[in-house]
Amino acid sequence: DGGITQSPKYLFRKEGQNVTLSCEQNLNHDAMYWYRQDPGQGLRLIYYSQIVNDFQKGDIAEGYSVSREKKESFPLTVTSAQKNPTAFYLCASRTQGYGNYGYTFGSGTRLTVV
Amino acid sequence: QQQVKQSPQSLIVQKGGISIINCAYENTAFDYFPWYQQFPGKGPALLIAIRPDVSEKNEGRFTISFNKSAKQFSLHIMDSQPGDSATYFCAASNVRGGSEKLVFGKGTKLTVNP
Repeated sequence: DGGITQSPKYLFRKEGQNVTLSCEQNLNHDAMYWYRQDPGQGLRLIYYSQIVNDFQKGDIAEGYSVSREKKESFPLTVTSAQKNPTAFYLCASRTQGYGNYGYTFGSGTRLTVV
Repeated sequence: QQQVKQSPQSLIVQKGGISIINCAYENTAFDYFPWYQQFPGKGPALLIAIRPDVSEKNEGRFTISFNKSAKQFSLHIMDSQPGDSATYFCAASNVRGGSEKLVFGKGTKLTVNP
């Protein structure tokens, strides 16, 4: 089945640590996205990538980093510079083109600082 | 201009009733308006979407109404069921203009009582 796989489902981070969230898709989608979800805040865009080896900052990129070395993979690193990282993180992808525009989301990673 | 305002924040409906969620936007270049459904601990899933050349779209019990002059669109859930209890997000994008990003509303938590 085609889809997006996020791992791990739950992640615990100690203060001062960097952690990396995995996102893999087998949909052959060009564009991939990372969103952060907090209660009552909706979905806020962290980073997005339209093509391999290229990515752009979203609305809340500070304290995060990404890479896009392969079309299928778009990992997100939450660095120690992110002061409030506890949240639900969602990865999404979409195909190009007006006729078939739609996002597919993964099941999310819940990150908790301990 | 990039915001999508969604209301209400939460909604409680009796089984069999009609659930109505409203969204408003400012950017007249938006040309794609999807609704997403999210269950706890899961990623959002595309429910239904509309483009501004139509005023209404139905898919089963779910209907989008679109008012281009008022810059508003709404989701109606007919014969609401307890299984419809979820968080609903509206979104918008300027697809023809080449936008790679969806702008999301902050979500509505729907509870359908049995």
